[in-house]
Amino acid sequence: AQTVTQSQPEMSVQEAETVTLSCTYDTSESDYYLFWYKQPPSRQMILVIRQEAYKQQNATENRFSVNFQKAAKSFSLKISDSQLGDAAMYFCATSLLSGNTPLVFGKGTRLSVIA
Amino acid sequence: DTGVSQNPRHKITKRGQNVTFRCDPISEHNRLYWYRQTLGQGPEFLTYFQNEAQLEKSRLLSDRFSAERPKGSFSTLEIQRTEQGDSAMYLCASSLGEGALNEQFFGPGTRLTVL
Repeated sequence: AQTVTQSQPEMSVQEAETVTLSCTYDTSESDYYLFWYKQPPSRQMILVIRQEAYKQQNATENRFSVNFQKAAKSFSLKISDSQLGDAAMYFCATSLLSGNTPLVFGKGTRLSVIA
Repeated sequence: DTGVSQNPRHKITKRGQNVTFRCDPISEHNRLYWYRQTLGQGPEFLTYFQNEAQLEKSRLLSDRFSAERPKGSFSTLEIQRTEQGDSAMYLCASSLGEGALNEQFFGPGTRLTVL
């Protein structure tokens, strides 16, 4: 079974600063995906960034990047140059690499951005 | 195509009543997923479909829950004899089929309140 742990229920960051959200996971699979999803208040969840576990290079999407440490089963999200629109719940999730399988989510981290 | 849609957005019902939710996925997506999200938690997987075939059901899906996707397009989730513990946000997601990039697109959810 796969499990995901997010140990920071809430985080805050000053606008234009950088923040890192933590995530650890456990899986018996050798190949899997890792994801960060963003859920803005009263809006639907959207994918922020995705990492295939067999790829050593950390994924990057504009201001969002990950630090993937496979041996430590750690998958943190770094948001650079934070913007007010980044305020949301952020969920770390994992799924099997076979593709298009159900996601297992953490409990989420609520990010506040201070102007 | 404007994305995954869900109806109704909100549903208030009395304990013991039956409710049905509908999800319309992105038109070319073969896979459709149902998740449940309670306050302060991440989404939890309930069930998913490949076209009209139901591939997997979570242990969370009690006998009072049933899901269908009769023509491989929209899906319905029915809860019979609702209980207060069923109060939650019910999320639907869809994705392309096997072998494609594993990104699930989420709908806005149906918020169920059982009185």
